[in-house]
Amino acid sequence: GNSVTQMEGPVTLSEEAFLTINCTYTATGYPSLFWYVQYPGEGLQLLLKATKADDKGSNKGFEATYRKETTSFHLEKGSVQVSDSAVYFCALRSNDYKLSFGAGTTVTVRA
Amino acid sequence: DTAVSQTPKYLVTQMGNDKSIKCEQNLGHDTMYWYKQDSKKFLKIMFSYNNKELIINETVPNRFSPKSPDKAHLNLHINSLELGDSAVYFCASSQVVDGYTFGSGTRLTVV
Repeated sequence: GNSVTQMEGPVTLSEEAFLTINCTYTATGYPSLFWYVQYPGEGLQLLLKATKADDKGSNKGFEATYRKETTSFHLEKGSVQVSDSAVYFCALRSNDYKLSFGAGTTVTVRA
Repeated sequence: DTAVSQTPKYLVTQMGNDKSIKCEQNLGHDTMYWYKQDSKKFLKIMFSYNNKELIINETVPNRFSPKSPDKAHLNLHINSLELGDSAVYFCASSQVVDGYTFGSGTRLTVV
């Protein structure tokens, strides 16, 4: 079956630091890959997505590249801000309708 | 306009009660979902409907029953509530292989 494994948190960073959250997946076929962000007390928001190998998704300074050879979709941001403090979820969607999520990584950015 | 709206936002109730959570989407999406998020932030799919037809029914107690009167609405009824049902429940919708749009969640507390 499909599954997503992402780096366990929590992750604590200083402002302007570089953020990487690792995500690897197992899937049949050719899944679409997503990163969602959940700010405190809110629902999940789509951060970025990639639908085929070598696609790069980007939004709000975050980037992730769909790497089929390593079955990975790592999230990166070059300079984080306090407002980036949130829980980040990697997810995949294969041929069925179901979106499978990783366990989530809590990121705290300190001023 | 809110794309996916769910009510109520907070629900506190006693064990043994029956309660409902409502969800509506105005995006014209064909597919709607219910997810449960536990205290560790883990997200697990419960149900999915596509054009009012049940397409995903994960291992969920029979006390949980979804109802979709039309493709814009997916309600969740829970009978005989138990302490372990306490969680945040998210409604979502999607179209084909796009990412999901989530509601802001309903925090259910069973006392």
